[in-house]
Amino acid sequence: EPEVTQTPSHQVTQMGQEVILRCVPISNHLYFYWYRQILGQKVEFLVSFYNNEISEKSEIFDDQFSVERPDGSNFTLKIRSTKLEDSAMYFCASSRPLDRSSYNEQFFGPGTRLTVL
Amino acid sequence: RKEVEQDPGPFNVPEGATVAFNCTYSNSASQSFFWYRQDCRKEPKLLMSVYSSGNEDGRFTAQLNRASQYISLLIRDSKLSDSATYLCVVRGLNNNAGNMLTFGGGTRLMVKP
Repeated sequence: EPEVTQTPSHQVTQMGQEVILRCVPISNHLYFYWYRQILGQKVEFLVSFYNNEISEKSEIFDDQFSVERPDGSNFTLKIRSTKLEDSAMYFCASSRPLDRSSYNEQFFGPGTRLTVL
Repeated sequence: RKEVEQDPGPFNVPEGATVAFNCTYSNSASQSFFWYRQDCRKEPKLLMSVYSSGNEDGRFTAQLNRASQYISLLIRDSKLSDSATYLCVVRGLNNNAGNMLTFGGGTRLMVKP
């Protein structure tokens, strides 16, 4: 069964450093997403990406964040200057385009645990 | 008011019990509704979509009440493997028709032998 993959599984970085989290969405999917989950809190939407541009973003997704699809397979999330409060699990997800059904499942990757020291 | 609100639990039930979780959402224009399951330190996985007429998948039954902005999940004949956090999820919560998912905080279920 096709799945979303993410690397690395755990990233430790110093405050102020740049990090890039990588995701390989399911190959025939066209919508891509990043969510985050701070330990003990709910899953929060960051950004969605379609047709090589951001289609939605949340208030969390400020100028420190950027996303890119540098080639045909990878989807990356960059945090330019990490803060302590960026420590969280970051989940990538992908989905097919909406069809007649509104119930369009988003498939989640296993996550990257980011620890900012 | 929280966008998607759930009782955090935990619900501690014996094997074989029936347990029900509830969820409320704030925006009446929300479009799609789901229950996801999340195991400890793992990614959310879709358990089932919630249809307007209600739907059942094996031991799991989901109901939607749009008038009350209320979603429920019923689990019959609980198994040890049902122990997890159950996430109520809404799509299209904001005033656009986008795909972003809004998650509740989750309800933790612990099924004991």
